[in-house]
Amino acid sequence: QSVLTQAPSASGTPGQKVTISCSGGTSNLGNNPVNWYQQFPGAAPKLLIYRSNQRPSGVPDRFSGSKSGTSASLAISGLQSEDEADYYCAAWDDSLNVVLFGGGTKLSV
Amino acid sequence: EVQLVQSGAEVKKPGESLKISCKGSGYSFTTYWIGWVRQMPGKGLEWMGIIYPGDSDTRYSPSFRGQVTISADKSINTAYLQWSSLKASDTAMYYCARSAYSGHEADYWGQGTLVTVSS
Repeated sequence: QSVLTQAPSASGTPGQKVTISCSGGTSNLGNNPVNWYQQFPGAAPKLLIYRSNQRPSGVPDRFSGSKSGTSASLAISGLQSEDEADYYCAAWDDSLNVVLFGGGTKLSV
Repeated sequence: EVQLVQSGAEVKKPGESLKISCKGSGYSFTTYWIGWVRQMPGKGLEWMGIIYPGDSDTRYSPSFRGQVTISADKSINTAYLQWSSLKASDTAMYYCARSAYSGHEADYWGQGTLVTVSS
């Protein structure tokens, strides 16, 4: 059971905006930035958002991240069929001294 | 171009040992951390541990400490993940990934190594 909690699934239609949430505690999201990873079936994860709201080069600005207190969100606007993937939040936990991953959210478009 | 290239898929029997590798190129291997992440079939990502090849500083998740060994050979830009006695429950995809700092975002990932343990 992940200490970072994500809904197992989310869905949207093309063009819509969808938000994926990640809930944690004071020792992880409350004290450290969140990172988001995108994973397609059969492929390695890819960094999508880092330090809560930064996009790596090449990631479309349709993807955005935010964090407030012990919760974080990934927003995808202008949803496209190619966005169908699994999305994981991750953060360092100061108490456990590990990187925690959320359980993942499977996005259907 | 930054690349992490992992060794190929392995099929092993319970009780056997195994060492898989992750070779970095296109950047200074000794100045970035290399972490290992497990993904069991149909499941999510689990952080196993991380190593700084520059001085071999290694940190483990409590869940994996004593179960695996993480090492690196900076002379050949390669990090390793090894088991001394595999169990069926070690069947999973294993990814290596680069981080600028321990616990920070992993910006480049290997393609993964599938380990299957079956009698």
